[in-house]
Amino acid sequence: EPEVTQTPSHQVTQMGQEVILRCVPISNHLYFYWYRQILGQKVEFLVSFYNNEISEKSEIFDDQFSVERPDGSNFTLKIRSTKLEDSAMYFCASSVISGANVLTFGAGSRLTVL
Amino acid sequence: AQSVTQLGSHVSVSEGALVLLRCNYSSSVPPYLFWYVQYPNQGLQLLLKYTSAATLVKGINGFEAEFKKSETSFHLTKPSAHMSDAAEYFCAVSDREGFKTIFGAGTRLFVKA
Repeated sequence: EPEVTQTPSHQVTQMGQEVILRCVPISNHLYFYWYRQILGQKVEFLVSFYNNEISEKSEIFDDQFSVERPDGSNFTLKIRSTKLEDSAMYFCASSVISGANVLTFGAGSRLTVL
Repeated sequence: AQSVTQLGSHVSVSEGALVLLRCNYSSSVPPYLFWYVQYPNQGLQLLLKYTSAATLVKGINGFEAEFKKSETSFHLTKPSAHMSDAAEYFCAVSDREGFKTIFGAGTRLFVKA
């Protein structure tokens, strides 16, 4: 069964460092998403991406965050200068269509900022 | 703006008992509604979805949910809990464009032997 692959599974970084989280969505999916889940809290929407541009973003997704689909297969989330509060599990998801879209999630990348 | 509220952050049932996880939504337009399940150290997996066809939706692993517009609810049920059902369950809502799916805070289900 096709799956969404995320790397790294766990990254530890120092505050102020740049981090890039990588995702390989399902190959025939057209819509891509990043969510985050701070430990013990809800799953929060960060951004959606379609046709090589951001479709929608939340208030969490400020100028420190950016997304890119550099090569037609990878979908990356970059955090320019990490803060302690960026520590969370980051989930990538993809879907075939929007609307009644069923999101297929990756297993997540755990980011720990020290 | 759309939102979902899940009543009860933790629910504990005995094996074989009825499972009822509550979800209420808020949406200015007819929504799409979903239930996802998250097992430890895994991503979220779809249990079932409502897309304005039948109001009673059947999902995987014996779960079902009923859309009640008058109550703005989409509660998840399973007649008989199994130990393997222990997980975190998330209710979610999406608008027709679907660029943003909003998740509830989650309900952790514990199943006692």
